[in-house]
Amino acid sequence: NAGVTQTPKFRVLKTGQSMTLLCAQDMNHEYMYWYRQDPGMGLRLIHYSVGEGTTAKGEVPDGYNVSRLKKQNFLLGLESAAPSQTSVYFCASSETGNYGYTFGSGTRLTVV
Amino acid sequence: AQTVTQSQPEMSVQEAETVTLSCTYDTSESDYYLFWYKQPPSRQMILVIRQEAYKQQNATENRFSVNFQKAAKSFSLKISDSQLGDAAMYFCAYRLPSTGANNLFFGTGTRLTVIP
Repeated sequence: NAGVTQTPKFRVLKTGQSMTLLCAQDMNHEYMYWYRQDPGMGLRLIHYSVGEGTTAKGEVPDGYNVSRLKKQNFLLGLESAAPSQTSVYFCASSETGNYGYTFGSGTRLTVV
Repeated sequence: AQTVTQSQPEMSVQEAETVTLSCTYDTSESDYYLFWYKQPPSRQMILVIRQEAYKQQNATENRFSVNFQKAAKSFSLKISDSQLGDAAMYFCAYRLPSTGANNLFFGTGTRLTVIP
């Protein structure tokens, strides 16, 4: 049971480059999320999805886009990377209701 | 606005001793869920324990237990018989059961060091 898988685990981008982070879950969860983690700031929600074909903005959505074409996959895109987007990115999924989230192992992204 | 405050950026504990990590939250809701997550150096976020606000009994999971004070909006984590493997960042989190976001609001974390 793989849970939530994120690829890649590490990436270095130059300012202005684009990239896509892939998140895949095999638990048939309806909800999926993208967070970023920065020192001293905990985790902040970028975008989320409450089902296939749906997406919504979280707390810090600027500079990011997402897509959920298949229930098991949630993609996070950076169209034009900026140094401020240097961070660790976490994908998570959950069932509805009162359960905690299952997290992936994170992607460390550095924008130079 | 939902906020979660962890006032201890760093804590340390001697191996085999007990340590308590603090967490307070702010909400006007009466029904919600609280969680503690552990993040070891591997970066993986691991759910340690959860508490439903409607339950008065404090949750326990082996060496981990919480002290939930609903009126005070406090949710502390107690780790008994601390082990070297407990060294990690610990995040307190709060979740509303039914909002459009179904979001989890995190505190800024407490880094726990376990001294051999």
